Amino acid sequence: ETGVTQSPTHLIKTRGQQVTLRCSSQSGHNTVSWYQQALGQGPQFIFQYYREEENGRGNFPPRFSGLQFPNYSSELNVNALELDDSALYLCASSAASGGAIDTQYFGPGTRLTVL
Amino acid sequence: GEDVEQSLFLSVREGDSSVINCTYTDSSSTYLYWYKQEPGAGLQLLTYIFSNMDMKQDQRLTVLLNKKDKHLSLRIADTQTGDSAIYFCAEIGGATNKLIFGTGTLLAVQP
Repeated sequence: ETGVTQSPTHLIKTRGQQVTLRCSSQSGHNTVSWYQQALGQGPQFIFQYYREEENGRGNFPPRFSGLQFPNYSSELNVNALELDDSALYLCASSAASGGAIDTQYFGPGTRLTVL
Repeated sequence: GEDVEQSLFLSVREGDSSVINCTYTDSSSTYLYWYKQEPGAGLQLLTYIFSNMDMKQDQRLTVLLNKKDKHLSLRIADTQTGDSAIYFCAEIGGATNKLIFGTGTLLAVQP
């Protein structure tokens, strides 16, 4: 177990709705990264937060947004859900500092189904 | 560009060695990782290797890195049925420290 937790475990939404996914990072970690894993694919980077600021973004539209809180937990928000947003959403925490690379540890994921 | 490729499927018998291969394109990668994913679960970090190393061994796992050919492999000795899973290699890319994953290799271990 990595100490990274995510909620909820599963979620079913309909097209056009909005969703918020949550992640608690491992103790001592200040960086959270979010990934989307479609069925049968490898995870794709959405964005990363370091000390409450966005620190890089992948090729995802603006309706994917995030937050990081002072305790380093994080939220991923997706507006105007589309069918293709159905996926496993993974969060990973790391102890990166000032741009230094550190290993990312993943949570169990949230399975989002959009109908 | 950034791309990571893996073969899709590998089948081995219990007790044999498994070798999972990966190629990547970003020559500036500093770390390369192997993650394991069991059905319906998140990613479990197995091991990683720094780009200035050729080999790393950790119990049953051996990682080989050929930086010239941008080729990474994971060898699992004495493969067990519990090793059945999808294995992802990943490189760390760019200033954002994002992980770039391959499509994963499904390892099936036959008893």
